[in-house]
Amino acid sequence: LAKTTQPISMDSYEGQEVNITCSHNNIATNDYITWYQQFPSQGPRFIIQGYKTKVTNEVASLFIPADRKSSTLSLPRVSLSDTAVYYCLVTAVNQGGKLIFGQGTELSVKP
Amino acid sequence: DAGVIQSPRHEVTEMGQEVTLRCKPISGHNSLFWYRQTMMRGLELLIYFNNNVPIDDSGMPEDRFSAKMPNASFSTLKIQPSEPRDSAVYFCASSFGGGATDTQYFGPGTRLTVL
Repeated sequence: LAKTTQPISMDSYEGQEVNITCSHNNIATNDYITWYQQFPSQGPRFIIQGYKTKVTNEVASLFIPADRKSSTLSLPRVSLSDTAVYYCLVTAVNQGGKLIFGQGTELSVKP
Repeated sequence: DAGVIQSPRHEVTEMGQEVTLRCKPISGHNSLFWYRQTMMRGLELLIYFNNNVPIDDSGMPEDRFSAKMPNASFSTLKIQPSEPRDSAVYFCASSFGGGATDTQYFGPGTRLTVL
C-alpha cells in the first residue's frame, strides 16, 4: 500500500476554509484515496473517498490531480467542532478493505 | 440503528491476566476489523475477518493475541497473558463487503490499561 505524508498539525479559525494536502507518490492504478476524521475518545469516522478529479459531499470536498500523487481535503467554513485528527489513507482494491493509518493531521480550530 | 458495540469500554488489569475484548458489528455487515491505537504507534490494524473467516492477521503482535468470530454478530480479541505494553485503545470496526471502497464504521473503543 502506498505510504501517505500529511502535515502533523494545522491551525485555523472559525469560518475559514481549511485545505489539508496529502502526498501519496507511490499510489497504484487501482488504489482509492479515503479520509477519516477522529475526535478525542472516539473511533475514526469516514469523511470522503475518491479516485480522481473532484468529489464533494455534504461535509467536505476532495481534490485529486491527474497524476494522483497527492490529494487535498477541503473543509468549508470550519467550526470549533471540526477540531479533530484527519487521516489520509490509500486503500487498495486487492487488499480486502485493509486500512493503513498514518500519523494524521491534528486540526485545531480557534474562535 | 445501533452502531458497532464494544465492551467493556474501560478495562484495568494486572500484568499476566487474561483480557477479553468484545465486539458486536453492525447488523448486516460481513467484514470486521480490530485496530489498536497508541500514542507511539498510532492506529494499527491487527486482524480482519470477512464472512467470519480471518483474512489477514499479519498485524497481530504475537502469540499472546488471538481473535475469533464465531458468528456474524460477535467477535472477541483475547490477550493472554497481558503485559503493560499492551495498554492501548482497541477499536473494532465493521463494513459491508470488505472491499477497499467500503466505509468502515468504528466502535467507541476499549481503553485497556495493564498495570
